[in-house]
Amino acid sequence: QSALTQPRSVSGSPGQSVTISCTGTSSDIGGYNYVSWHQQHPGKAPKLMIYDVSKRPSGVPDRFSGSKSGNTASLTISGLQADDEADYYCCSYAGSYTFWVFGGGTKLTVL
Amino acid sequence: QVQLQESGPGLVKPSETLSLTCTVSGCSISSGYYWGWIRQPPGKGLEWIGSIYHSGSTYYNPSLQSRVTISVDTSKNQFSLKLSSVTAADTAVYYCARGGLTGNYLGDYWGQGTPVTVSS
Repeated sequence: QSALTQPRSVSGSPGQSVTISCTGTSSDIGGYNYVSWHQQHPGKAPKLMIYDVSKRPSGVPDRFSGSKSGNTASLTISGLQADDEADYYCCSYAGSYTFWVFGGGTKLTVL
Repeated sequence: QVQLQESGPGLVKPSETLSLTCTVSGCSISSGYYWGWIRQPPGKGLEWIGSIYHSGSTYYNPSLQSRVTISVDTSKNQFSLKLSSVTAADTAVYYCARGGLTGNYLGDYWGQGTPVTVSS
């Protein structure tokens, strides 16, 4: 069982927006602003999409945005495209003993 | 362009030690970043194994700490993973990744991953 809770799946039509939630505790998401999101296509390595809750690495479209409220972080993808279909994992720093925890992953289907 | 490449045996026997190396190009391993190992069992999610700073400071997943050693070889621009007393539960794709300069994220650059099977 993963430390962070994500929905197993979400779906949306091209052009629509979807939001993926990631729920933790005050010891991880709620305690630090070190939440990141990774996109993983089948058979590929994860790709960093969001870090520090809401920052985008160079080259990531601004259709991807991140936010946090309390112990829950969210990834919103607007203007859905076919290539957005992938698994998405949240990750949070969890202090100087546990360090890093992941969510179980969410499969995004573009209908 | 930063590139990471994992290498090592794809098959390890139970109770033996899994050894993998990550070769980094396009970025000096001494340039201040964190370097980490993450694994993904078949059909499952990601699990952080541990990270190392260029100075040699290490940070391990508490659930694996007793079996994990991560080291760095700055002369070869490589860092390595050793996982002892492996069982079938350690079968996974193993990734190496570059973490943030301030340790604020696990990986902006990842290797392609190397599958490791634990079986006799």
